Amino acid sequence: GNSVTQMEGPVTLSEEAFLTINCTYTATGYPSLFWYVQYPGEGLQLLLKATKADDKGSNKGFEATYRKETTSFHLEKGSVQVSDSAVYFCALVNQAGTALIFGKGTTLSVSS
Amino acid sequence: KAGVTQTPRYLIKTRGQQVTLSCSPISGHRSVSWYQQTPGQGLQFLFEYFSETQRNKGNFPGRFSGRQFSNSRSEMNVSTLELGDSALYLCASSVQESTDTQYFGPGTRLTVL
Repeated sequence: GNSVTQMEGPVTLSEEAFLTINCTYTATGYPSLFWYVQYPGEGLQLLLKATKADDKGSNKGFEATYRKETTSFHLEKGSVQVSDSAVYFCALVNQAGTALIFGKGTTLSVSS
Repeated sequence: KAGVTQTPRYLIKTRGQQVTLSCSPISGHRSVSWYQQTPGQGLQFLFEYFSETQRNKGNFPGRFSGRQFSNSRSEMNVSTLELGDSALYLCASSVQESTDTQYFGPGTRLTVL
């Protein structure tokens, strides 16, 4: 079935550093891919999505490109801020199309 | 447009009790999904409701149940609580299909003592 693997954390960066969080997937067909973010004590917020191969999702300076050749959907940001500190989840729809499958999450900590 | 709301935000129960959690989806959204989030298992799908019918179900015991009302609001119930049921329970709504973009509520933090 469909699955997603994301890099283990935590990721610790200084403010204005470049961020990459790796996400790779296994899927039948080309399901939509998502990045969600969870701030401390809160639920999940949709950060960005891509619905087909070669699509680039972007939001709040974050970007991710749906790459079918490498089955990847890596999250990037050129200059992180302290306020970006959170847990980031990569997700895709399961093979039956009935639910989201999430990666284990990557904790990002940004210091000033 | 108001987001997904969940009540209560925090609950403390003891083993053997039962609990009911509530979720109000975004206006116009007809699909409601529930997820359990724990440190060990991560985010796991519980079930999904559409037009008052359970359309999909994850791999959880029968102690976990839910329902959806005609206004799309949903409740989930956990009976005979166990310590392992302590988790953040997240509700998500989408327009029509569970494959549509899902928007999450803030969650209900359940602690079982």
